[in-house]
Amino acid sequence: DAKTTQPPSMDCAEGRAANLPCNHSTISGNEYVYWYRQIHSQGPQYIIHGLKNNETNEMASLIITEDRKSSTLILPHATLRDTAVYYCIVRAPQGGSEKLVFGKGMKLTVNP
Amino acid sequence: GAGVSQTPSNKVTEKGKYVELRCDPISGHTALYWYRQSLGQGPEFLIYFQGTGAADDSGLPNDRFFAVRPEGSVSTLKIQRTERGDSAVYLCASSLAREEGEQFFGPGTRLTVL
Repeated sequence: DAKTTQPPSMDCAEGRAANLPCNHSTISGNEYVYWYRQIHSQGPQYIIHGLKNNETNEMASLIITEDRKSSTLILPHATLRDTAVYYCIVRAPQGGSEKLVFGKGMKLTVNP
Repeated sequence: GAGVSQTPSNKVTEKGKYVELRCDPISGHTALYWYRQSLGQGPEFLIYFQGTGAADDSGLPNDRFFAVRPEGSVSTLKIQRTERGDSAVYLCASSLAREEGEQFFGPGTRLTVL
């Protein structure tokens, strides 16, 4: 079973920041938080990941609470192309690679 | 550079038939994964290869499903005696075998069993 909880859906206005929440209250000390997204009819796409510190890349920012029980993915200026299902996943790297356990994710709809 | 490719993109077969789905990972990626995605659900793990060997096949639903990666690159997922419940999108992903390696996914093969 997925170890994360996300709301089923969220709407955002184009150009606005989209803040996508995720709860992972049972996360272990060595588990990372990963975010992937899946645009309709495509394979999932990696966005960002983090362990304890906040992270930022060209796609998004990841804010992890101090107790690591929840996190927020921030898309600073949402566009119509950001409409997708977003998956928050916790994963413990084990010797190189480990499977991803997906939940149902959260459908983000960016409206014009 | 080239991403993960999967062929065919669509496969329609009849119940009871045998099918093969192919995955070409990103060059140099030693880890390869197969997932299955049913409508409205997130991808579900099937099997993971590290090089030529299956390091984790715990997600294969039953012995009708089998996957190979004989030379440590291309992988084939084989399904025998297909059933209607096997209809899904089959996704392949590859990654570098390092601790935080992100997985790169292909576009998937949509399998329909009539």
